[in-house]
Amino acid sequence: LAKTTQPISMDSYEGQEVNITCSHNNIATNDYITWYQQFPSQGPRFIIQGYKTKVTNEVASLFIPADRKSSTLSLPRVSLSDTAVYYCLVGDGQGGKLIFGQGTELSVKP
Amino acid sequence: DSGVTQTPKHLITATGQRVTLRCSPRSGDLSVYWYQQSLDQGLQFLIQYYNGEERAKGNILERFSAQQFPDLHSELNLSSLELGDSALYFCASSVRRITDTQYFGPGTRLTVL
Repeated sequence: LAKTTQPISMDSYEGQEVNITCSHNNIATNDYITWYQQFPSQGPRFIIQGYKTKVTNEVASLFIPADRKSSTLSLPRVSLSDTAVYYCLVGDGQGGKLIFGQGTELSVKP
Repeated sequence: DSGVTQTPKHLITATGQRVTLRCSPRSGDLSVYWYQQSLDQGLQFLIQYYNGEERAKGNILERFSAQQFPDLHSELNLSSLELGDSALYFCASSVRRITDTQYFGPGTRLTVL
């Protein structure tokens, strides 16, 4: 089964760029990589999804190398409101199961 | 607001009991997913239904079962409850595939005493 690994926590300051990396071994050919943001007592919220190379939307960028065994979520110019837990999610291709990383708690300081 | 609704918001029950959690997906979404979130296990995928049929199974215990009805709402049944089943249970929905963007509901917090 696929296993995903993320740093447990990260600290940053307002206005900085933050990069969170997720390692996912055994990612299957058809699997996509999705990142979610979660605030306390709320359900996770979609940030960005990709399959390979680079994807960018209005809030983040996602970098996926050619071997797809890792992905990096990049948050440009974070603010205090970006303090949250960030999860990567990949399908492991085995009967459609989904594997979440353990989450990275990002703390943004003024 | 994701458009996914879950009831009840909170549930307190005793060990050995049985409870049912309910989820209504976003309008137009055919797939429903159930997740369990606890402090020690993190977010765990339990099961997926697509248009009434079970599509994928994760780490769901035999004491737990789910179904999706013709109107596409879903229920998660938890029986013979144990203290360790205390957790947040999230429902999510997506248009179709397991790789589609999922929209999560607000969750049901289950406390087993």
